[in-house]
Amino acid sequence: NAGVTQTPKFQVLKTGQSMTLQCAQDMNHEYMSWYRQDPGMGLRLIHYSVGAGITDQGEVPNGYNVSRSTTEDFPLRLLSAAPSQTSVYFCASTYSGVDTDTQYFGPGTRLTVL
Amino acid sequence: GDSVTQMEGPVTLSEEAFLTINCTYTATGYPSLFWYVQYPGEGLQLLLKATKADDKGSNKGFEATYRKETTSFHLEKGSVQVSDSAVYFCALSDPGRTGGAQKLVFGQGTRLTINP
Repeated sequence: NAGVTQTPKFQVLKTGQSMTLQCAQDMNHEYMSWYRQDPGMGLRLIHYSVGAGITDQGEVPNGYNVSRSTTEDFPLRLLSAAPSQTSVYFCASTYSGVDTDTQYFGPGTRLTVL
Repeated sequence: GDSVTQMEGPVTLSEEAFLTINCTYTATGYPSLFWYVQYPGEGLQLLLKATKADDKGSNKGFEATYRKETTSFHLEKGSVQVSDSAVYFCALSDPGRTGGAQKLVFGQGTRLTINP
């Protein structure tokens, strides 16, 4: 089991550029989510998905899009990057049944927007 | 809304010292409480959890007790090691809400450094 994988590990963008952060899990988890981690603020939920074809907004969704076409993958899209989106991004997944509250996190993507 | 407040860091201790990291929460329902740990260069991993009042979570020598009367979930370890150096996050979820079990609300994190 690879668990939760994220690519790339590091990325530098210019303001206005677009990119997609990739997230995949091989644990057949139904629930997946994206968080951003900023200094002094902990992690904040951006978007989440309870299964293929179903997504919803979290606490800080503005500037980000998501889709969930398969159980395994949950990409996060930045359509027009802004310096305020400089952060470390974590993808997480969990079961929808027993022990649903234990989340498994990927290693993160460090994004810098200039 | 729900929130979590952790003690300010960073915290620096000597090996074998006693550790306490304070965590308090605000929630309207009956939350589940967690401690996650982030080692350098890695993602977060669950350290321990408690799902109801007076439950004690424990793992790797760390303990935390769910105190509803003081809305707290303080992390403790009797003798820390250099390998415990990491960032520690307190978090909650609200399984009473639809989809709430999977939505974590985090504290700001506490960076812990243990010196030999």
